[in-house]
Order: sequence, then structure tokens, then C-alpha cells
Amino acid sequence: QVHLVESGGGVVQPGRSLRLSCVTSGFIFSDYGIHWVRQAPGKGLEWVALISNDGSDRYYVDSVKGRFTISRDNSKNTLYLQMNSLRPDDTALYYCAKDVTPRATGWFDPWGQGTLVTVSS
Amino acid sequence: EIVLTQSPATLSLSPGERATLSCRASQSVSNYVAWYQQKPGQAPRLLIFDASNRATGIPARFSGSGSGTDFTLTISSLEPEDFAVYYCHQRSNWSPSFGPGTKVEIK
Repeated sequence: QVHLVESGGGVVQPGRSLRLSCVTSGFIFSDYGIHWVRQAPGKGLEWVALISNDGSDRYYVDSVKGRFTISRDNSKNTLYLQMNSLRPDDTALYYCAKDVTPRATGWFDPWGQGTLVTVSS
Repeated sequence: EIVLTQSPATLSLSPGERATLSCRASQSVSNYVAWYQQKPGQAPRLLIFDASNRATGIPARFSGSGSGTDFTLTISSLEPEDFAVYYCHQRSNWSPSFGPGTKVEIK
């Protein structure tokens, strides 16, 4: 059974950094692209970033470009999101979601349960 | 950037009734649309992909249709567990996006 478990969230001051992790199991991690998606409290879903199976393709939503970096370690079946220069509007539950294709150009299935990031002074 | 809009924002229905949810794209996305269900405190779950294909384990009462810019998710007869928020999603041009969601609530 496919599992994705996010961690690394917490309360952080504006301007500081945080690194999220997503540990996966139940599938061949190196065969699939994967995404980060966030959901601000009481709001809808916002795609944040994607990375292809081999890490060669990485794309970001405009609001995080230059601040966030997505990466993966296929030897550890783990996805990361390095978040720098955090802002209050980055406050959200961050989900990782497995793509159904290697290039991360498909659908998101399944999703982890999320890790909460709160940016506040 | 492709923007998705969903209507209505809230749908108030009774169990057993038919639900029709709409999603419109700001430009053609072919059939590259999926639908997800999210219940309170849970992660989203894939229901429909490529506009009209049910994901594994999704009951037949869920169906999707559409192409180009207009898409529909239909729940033929609402079960108590179907009251949730539904999001459409497009996967074009390396910049996926979601609609704002439709909440299906119990009338």
C-alpha cells in the first residue's frame, strides 16, 4: 500500500527557513514524479512545486519562486521542500502528493496527511 | 496561467438527490481535468481523471464529463459520505492548478 508521510512543519518567524520532508513507501519512488500542494486554513488547494522522477524537471508556483526549492533523494524514498524567506501568507498545511507519471505531468494520487507550517512573529 | 472556476460555491442537497458540479477553465485544457474529494480533516482523494475516468475504488455513482473548457462532476444519488468539498484540477503546461472548490452540504 502506498504511503506518504510529511514532517518538518512548525511555527517559524517571518524571514526564517524550514525544511519539509515526505517519506514514502509502497511504490518504486524513483519511477514517479511528486508534488507539494498547500492549503491555507479554511481555504482551497494551491499547487506549490513539482519534481520529476529523476529530479531533472522542477517547477514552482510564481509566489514561491526563488524562495522554495524542491528536491528528492531516491535512495531514501524521500521528497523535500526547502522553504526560505518565509512569509505569513505561506502559512498552510503542506501536502506531498505522488504523481501517476514519471515526469510529474499527471494526476495526484495518493496524498499524504500533511504537515502544518505557521509563519508568525 | 490557466484559471479554473467552479460553480456553485455551495450546493445544498438531501441524501438521494443528484449533484451536478461545474468547472470552467480560462482556456482549453483538452480533457486534462481531474476531480478530488476532500472531507474535513482529511487529505484530498482522486475521484475522476482525464475528465471522465473513475479512479480505482470510486463508486459508479460518480461520473465526469466535458472537454475543452467546460467540465462536470455528477453524483447520481448522494450518499451520506459524499458530503464534502470537491475540487477540479488541470494538469497542462507544467503549471497545475485547482479550482476554488464546491462544498456539497446536507440540506
